[in-house]
Amino acid sequence: AAGVIQSPRHLIKEKRETATLKCYPIPRHDTVYWYQQGPGQDPQFLISFYEKMQSDKGSIPDRFSAQQFSDYHSELNMSSLELGDSALYFCASSFRDYSYEQYFGPGTRLTVT
Amino acid sequence: GESVGLHLPTLSVQEGDNSIINCAYSNSASDYFIWYKQESGKGPQFIIDIRSNMDKRQGQRVTVLLNKTVKHLSLQIAATQPGDSAVYFCAETVTSYDKVIFGPGTSLSVIP
Repeated sequence: AAGVIQSPRHLIKEKRETATLKCYPIPRHDTVYWYQQGPGQDPQFLISFYEKMQSDKGSIPDRFSAQQFSDYHSELNMSSLELGDSALYFCASSFRDYSYEQYFGPGTRLTVT
Repeated sequence: GESVGLHLPTLSVQEGDNSIINCAYSNSASDYFIWYKQESGKGPQFIIDIRSNMDKRQGQRVTVLLNKTVKHLSLQIAATQPGDSAVYFCAETVTSYDKVIFGPGTSLSVIP
């Protein structure tokens, strides 16, 4: 079965650079969620989109922005990167009106040096 | 704010024994609780869920218990296997489309 696809899987950036993470949800899923997981920590919700509109916002820095496109894929844009942004970034997708279950992608490991 | 927390950060069990991982939650409005398994370098993997109108749900080798009176959630793994070694997170959400709030993970190590 198709799963959530994230790219790239690994990304190394320097401080003050920008990064773009991509997420391709499971076909027919209409909701995308972004989570950030620091080393040894639990995943923290950043932002979510439903039918290309932002539906909820969590602890996402102002330096970050995201959007969901017409094909339902989503991109997380991160600017002025800081060392503390080094983390695993997970995307999850769900079929909002059908199930509570969110399916997580394999994550993108971002390292800021 | 609302949070979900775990009582034990680490748990070591002998292969074949049963494992019990506990979790406390604080948001009484949460309607849906989930247990996730996360292996190193991978995303959280759904194990089992339970709605707030239930107190027990069983899956294959796993059982989730929900005690709303004391806001307690537990995951029981029967006949624990080496492949069960991972970090386990309990999580909650209020509605079907709400963000998932994760609690601190418990690292389960299975001793062969």
